[in-house]
Amino acid sequence: GENVEQHPSTLSVQEGDSAVIKCTYSDSASNYFPWYKQELGKGPQLIIDIRSNVGEKKDQRIAVTLNKTAKHFSLHITETQPEDSAVYFCAASLGSNYQLIWGAGTKLIIKP
Amino acid sequence: DAGVIQSPRHEVTEMGQEVTLRCKPISGHDYLFWYRQTMMRGLELLIYFNNNVPIDDSGMPEDRFSAKMPNASFSTLKIQPSEPRDSAVYFCASSPSGTGGMHEQFFGPGTRLTVL
Repeated sequence: GENVEQHPSTLSVQEGDSAVIKCTYSDSASNYFPWYKQELGKGPQLIIDIRSNVGEKKDQRIAVTLNKTAKHFSLHITETQPEDSAVYFCAASLGSNYQLIWGAGTKLIIKP
Repeated sequence: DAGVIQSPRHEVTEMGQEVTLRCKPISGHDYLFWYRQTMMRGLELLIYFNNNVPIDDSGMPEDRFSAKMPNASFSTLKIQPSEPRDSAVYFCASSPSGTGGMHEQFFGPGTRLTVL
């Protein structure tokens, strides 16, 4: 079946440094790629998303890049802060429908 | 809007008992999703509805699980009988309809289920 692989599973960075999380997907028909942040005890929350007709999107300290040829997309967080500590999930649409295929998650730890 | 509402937030039950989880989606959202989250398996889609109709239930683990959406503002996920391996956090999420499925899913706070 279709799947999304996410790496690394845990990422520890110094406060102020950048963090990069990478995902690859298998469904060539996927056209929507969201990133969610999950804080302890809460449900995942969308932080940024990208459509297949766009290669890069930025929102303040967060950016996502998409390479459709290679079927991979990445989340970049610059100038990391303590509040960035959380679990981050990437996902890809199953074809063009509403179902998402989720990555396994990356635990991001920001060291003071 | 209060967001997606789930109840109960925590449920502890004994093996063999029936468990019912409840969800109220955001008003106006046409899609409702039930997920299960565990350390071992991550976030799994169990079933999703569009306009109260189940569209894909291929993620439902077995016949012990059932889900209903009697109206646009309420959905239930039932486990009968429950087993210890059902212990997990169950999330409900809703989403508005739009072009090609490219819309944010809004998650509730989850129900932490423990089956002893």
